Amino acid sequence: GAGVSQTPSNKVTEKGKYVELRCDPISGHTALYWYRQSLGQGPEFLIYFQGTGAADDSGLPNDRFFAVRPEGSVSTLKIQRTERGDSAVYLCASSRRTSNEQFFGPGTRLTVL
Amino acid sequence: GESVGLHLPTLSVQEGDNSIINCAYSNSASDYFIWYKQESGKGPQFIIDIRSNMDKRQGQRVTVLLNKTVKHLSLQIAATQPGDSAVYFCAEKGAGALTFGSGTRLQVQP
Repeated sequence: GAGVSQTPSNKVTEKGKYVELRCDPISGHTALYWYRQSLGQGPEFLIYFQGTGAADDSGLPNDRFFAVRPEGSVSTLKIQRTERGDSAVYLCASSRRTSNEQFFGPGTRLTVL
Repeated sequence: GESVGLHLPTLSVQEGDNSIINCAYSNSASDYFIWYKQESGKGPQFIIDIRSNMDKRQGQRVTVLLNKTVKHLSLQIAATQPGDSAVYFCAEKGAGALTFGSGTRLQVQP
């Protein structure tokens, strides 16, 4: 079956611009997670949704980062006034409510010039 | 803050040998510890998990050992194959999200 998909696969933007990254989770998965991964590092948690609501947004680095999941399926991560330090691979994962197994998408590579 | 880390950044093994990847953790309150495999250009892939009240769990060609006394986690891969070449992360799970370590690269020599 279809896995987690993320679009775009690559995004190049200029410093100060606004970007949106999209995640389509596996159908029926109620939990959705956003992580950020820098080169040579493990993924770093950003935000976690259970259904439509953000259950934990403690990983968002500052108020330039925001994520939504209005219908409990697709999620969008929004970054305002991008900075060069935001460059990374942004990973999305989904899981069943009670499962430890998070299924990851291939990520969106964001480059801020 | 709490962290999950790894001892070795790179491990090179011969095809057919057994591999052992180690991890130290610091958060004793985590409910589960999980191993993920990440190939180049892909997202992490779940391998196996172990609940905090267990000390060993086996899967297909993989075994995870948990030593809570010294806060140590290991992943053993039997008969390592070229397809096992990847970066391996240990992670801990509390209420929701995962906390990952920095990873160990496994290189399998033919």
